[in-house]
Amino acid sequence: GAVVSQHPSWVICKSGTSVKIECRSLDFQATTMFWYRQFPKQSLMLMATSNEGSKATYEQGVEKDKFLINHASLTLSTLTVTSAHPEDSSFYICSARGSTGELFFGEGSRLTVL
Amino acid sequence: DAKTTQPPSMDCAEGRAANLPCNHSTISGNEYVYWYRQIHSQGPQYIIHGLKNNETNEMASLIITEDRKSSTLILPHATLRDTAVYYCIVRVGGGNQGGKLIFGQGTELSVKP
Repeated sequence: GAVVSQHPSWVICKSGTSVKIECRSLDFQATTMFWYRQFPKQSLMLMATSNEGSKATYEQGVEKDKFLINHASLTLSTLTVTSAHPEDSSFYICSARGSTGELFFGEGSRLTVL
Repeated sequence: DAKTTQPPSMDCAEGRAANLPCNHSTISGNEYVYWYRQIHSQGPQYIIHGLKNNETNEMASLIITEDRKSSTLILPHATLRDTAVYYCIVRVGGGNQGGKLIFGQGTELSVKP
């Protein structure tokens, strides 16, 4: 099946720094990618929809200046958590939509902010 | 908000069928039902999806009621490796080509020896 890769798989950073997470579709082109966040023992929460070449659409309550999303190519979307704080510690998961509409998920990136 | 409700947890004996129910009473005519599962600290894994007809693949069967207000995912012979959180999701907007997946709380399935 199609593969979506996230990097890094885990990252630890100091409070106040910015962290970038990459999401790549390895064997297909994805015009649309989605970013989710998951806290322990909770479900996935959709943060934003990322369309190649245009601005991301953020879900209600998600700060667009805090979570910067760039989808510069058909195989890469990036999520940057700016000025990260401990409450931003979470599991971040991306999903990519193929040409036939199928949705494939990455393995997730665990962010810990000290 | 998610358009589905599921029991928070279920147990199943190894080798037996696991039947996971899902209610989606507000589903619209062109909205698909998707099932994913998530093993701890991994990304969700696709299982199956359907619109109105029952579906079967190598992993599971999906039974959708005639009024489409509920569905059941069936794992015919559960194994210990099927222990996971199972999410029933109504794909919102765009039919089967577009739209987005809004996750509900899911059912934590424990398969016991």
